[in-house]
Amino acid sequence: GESVGLHLPTLSVQEGDNSMINCAYSNSASDYFIWYKQESGKGPQFIIDIRSNMDKRQGQRVTVLLNKTVKHLSLQIAATQPGDSAVYFCAENLNNYGQNFVFGPGTRLSVLP
Amino acid sequence: EADIYQTPRYLVIGTGKKITLECSQTMGHDKMYWYQQDPGMELHLIHYSYGVNSTEKGDLSSESTVSRIRTEHFPLTLESARPSHTSQYLCASTAGGGAEAFFGQGTRLTVV
Repeated sequence: GESVGLHLPTLSVQEGDNSMINCAYSNSASDYFIWYKQESGKGPQFIIDIRSNMDKRQGQRVTVLLNKTVKHLSLQIAATQPGDSAVYFCAENLNNYGQNFVFGPGTRLSVLP
Repeated sequence: EADIYQTPRYLVIGTGKKITLECSQTMGHDKMYWYQQDPGMELHLIHYSYGVNSTEKGDLSSESTVSRIRTEHFPLTLESARPSHTSQYLCASTAGGGAEAFFGQGTRLTVV
């Protein structure tokens, strides 16, 4: 059901450690997925995307993993830095005109010194 | 950097006032969205548009209205602001299915 009013889950990691943020998506027909990073007071910014014909995609210090069997998306951040502290949202989309982006609830990542 | 702009960034206004939040994008995107987000909370879709003269309500009911007279412009209007409207409003646009959505910096609205 709709999770209106829920506070975001929080993940705390030590600086330099690797982070993994998880997201469950809802529509098995979704074929495009994005991770967004939102810093305090700003709009979400694109980090990395993946299409459903892939199960892994790597960027600079970030990796996205897609498990279509269980409808699960993960974002791995290597060597987490203080600047990585933010809220991270996953989004799913169907590659057709009529489908809007559906955002997950978000996870707040706190990097400890 | 995304070419999508929201004004104002911050707005404090009295109850009962009419306000319009502006959103413009220069990327020629057909699809535009308005999201409402309380601090530390989820994004909730309140309005979207697939193109000129197309507007739809989103998943979260809202007392606001939108218009799309030009491709690049998607303003959101509150006819009579109330304290319950206090929130952050985020505008986004995308070229279409299978493409990322670009977000503006948001408007933080406080109704007193």
